[in-house]
Amino acid sequence: DIQMAQSPSSLSASVGDRVTITCRASQGIRNDLGWYQQKPGKAPKRLIYNASNLQGGVPSRFSGSGSGTEFTLTISSLQPEDFATYYCLHHNNYPYSFGQGTKLEI
Amino acid sequence: EVQLVESGGGLVQPGGSLRLSCAGSGFSFSIYSMNWVRQAPGKGLEWLSYISRTSTSIYYAESVKGRFTISRDNAHNSLYLQMDGLRAEDTAMYYCARLGGAGDIDYWGQGTLVTVSS
Repeated sequence: DIQMAQSPSSLSASVGDRVTITCRASQGIRNDLGWYQQKPGKAPKRLIYNASNLQGGVPSRFSGSGSGTEFTLTISSLQPEDFATYYCLHHNNYPYSFGQGTKLEI
Repeated sequence: EVQLVESGGGLVQPGGSLRLSCAGSGFSFSIYSMNWVRQAPGKGLEWLSYISRTSTSIYYAESVKGRFTISRDNAHNSLYLQMDGLRAEDTAMYYCARLGGAGDIDYWGQGTLVTVSS
């Protein structure tokens, strides 16, 4: 089974900062990776699919990159509404698995 | 608008059973594969189970294999999760999730809470 190692587990930042979150797969998964944002008490929301494609309606300050085993989610200029928990999900084969999550705090 | 609405959660004793339902609307339910994902209180997301459009392919996480059964009824735009032999560690919010064209989850329901406790 493929495992996803996400880092950091938490991150303190300020409005306007640029932040990067990383996910590493235990084996190559091509670009079969999505990024999700979850706010307290809410369901996750997809931000990025196929590693680098922006979901419709998601602000362009979000971007994804990578392929194979290493992937990054970058937020170019943090806005107040971006403070949330972020997860990666590999969908290369079953069982799918999520990264452990990154809690982005002010 | 795509909507997924879960129901059936609640309080159940250890060893008990519960059946979760998910009603899909706003899209052609029968042409999408579906998943269940859960999240224990204060914890991360855990993928649980997958079912293909025609129920011909089904997969489970090891943590629930042999205890949980996924199924669907395309005539009623519904997805189900039969949960037997429930344990305290199954306490979580359970989400119904649609598999999009890219192969990952593109839409989520709002979840239904399952609490396993005596």
